[in-house]
Amino acid sequence: AQKVTQAQTEISVVEKEDVTLDCVYETRDTTYYLFWYKQPPSGELVFLIRRNSFDEQNEISGRYSWNFQKSTSSFNFTITASQVVDSAVYFCALSEAYGGATNKLIFGTGTLLAVQP
Amino acid sequence: DGGITQSPKYLFRKEGQNVTLSCEQNLNHDAMYWYRQDPGQGLRLIYYSQIVNDFQKGDIAEGYSVSREKKESFPLTVTSAQKNPTAFYLCASSHQGARETQYFGPGTRLLVL
Repeated sequence: AQKVTQAQTEISVVEKEDVTLDCVYETRDTTYYLFWYKQPPSGELVFLIRRNSFDEQNEISGRYSWNFQKSTSSFNFTITASQVVDSAVYFCALSEAYGGATNKLIFGTGTLLAVQP
Repeated sequence: DGGITQSPKYLFRKEGQNVTLSCEQNLNHDAMYWYRQDPGQGLRLIYYSQIVNDFQKGDIAEGYSVSREKKESFPLTVTSAQKNPTAFYLCASSHQGARETQYFGPGTRLLVL
């Protein structure tokens, strides 16, 4: 069965600290997609990144970076020099081809990140 | 601006009442989805639709119904059969295909009186 585990329920850091959010997934598929979403207090999920299972290159976007390692089935997310605006719940998700044409997202339970000023 | 809108932002349901949550998108996406989020949990799929006039049950469809008469619209009805409807409901849309990114609306919070 496909599953996404975010073992860190809550993380609290002080502004300017670096923080890594862990994501471990399980799947039998050889082709799959991994996503990170941010959910600020307003509630809307904001898309951050999508990676496919054939691309293990790390990605950097400003203060955000992602480390994808198939050997450990992990897709971790690092925020460098955290800011108060980074405070949110972050979800990792795995895409399953459900019904052949549409992706069904399997979500982790989320990590609440609190950045203190 | 292109996006997904959901209304109302807050909705109150009385015992035995059916209520309908609205979801509209102008992104020209074929696929639309409804998720339920409970406190401290991830999102769970209620229903999804790949094309107009077609929809399938997700993991927790019992007590819910949907329709897809227009490409832009995918309303969700929470029926009286749903015994624990209090939750945050999120609508999403995407192009068809397993690799496509789902984009989410702002959500509707449903509370039971």
